[in-house]
Amino acid sequence: NAGVTQTPKFRILKIGQSMTLQCTQDMNHNYMYWYRQDPGMGLKLIYYSVGAGITDKGEVPNGYNVSRSTTEDFPLRLELAAPSQTSVYFCASSNGLAGRTDTQYFGPGTRLTVL
Amino acid sequence: GNSVTQMEGPVTLSEEAFLTINCTYTATGYPSLFWYVQYPGEGLQLLLKATKADDKGSNKGFEATYRKETTSFHLEKGSVQVSDSAVYFCALYAGGTSYGKLTFGQGTILTVHP
Repeated sequence: NAGVTQTPKFRILKIGQSMTLQCTQDMNHNYMYWYRQDPGMGLKLIYYSVGAGITDKGEVPNGYNVSRSTTEDFPLRLELAAPSQTSVYFCASSNGLAGRTDTQYFGPGTRLTVL
Repeated sequence: GNSVTQMEGPVTLSEEAFLTINCTYTATGYPSLFWYVQYPGEGLQLLLKATKADDKGSNKGFEATYRKETTSFHLEKGSVQVSDSAVYFCALYAGGTSYGKLTFGQGTILTVHP
């Protein structure tokens, strides 16, 4: 049981390039989330999904896109990378059935630098 | 809207010192409250949680009590170890149609020296 896995661990992009951050969970969780973590700012929700084919915006969705074609996978797409997207990105998942006791499980993160 | 405020950091302590990290929240209704910990180079992991007023969450010697009257969920540990050095995040889940979404505080960096 690997939990939540993310690839790549590190990436450097040039301004204007695009890339996809991969996220996979093997816990059969319904809910999945993408966060970005900026220094001293906590975590901000980018997008989330409550099941395959269903996604919605979080607090800071601009410049990103997501899809969820399977329960396991929730990739995050960056189009036209900008320096403001330099951050650490975390994917998380939760059961979605435990209500107010539900626990989110996080991946190890992807550190992205845009130069 | 919902928000979480943590004490200013970073916090530096000697081994075996007492730890308190303050957390206060603003939310409508009755949120669930969580403490997550992030060790260097890793993702966040749940440390403890409480789902209703006066509940006490505890794990690995850490404790936090859900105080509705003061809208607080302060994290405490009686005797910290070097291995407790990490970033600690307070978070709330507002419930209802929030779809599990968490609101996080800004995080508090804890460094424990031998």
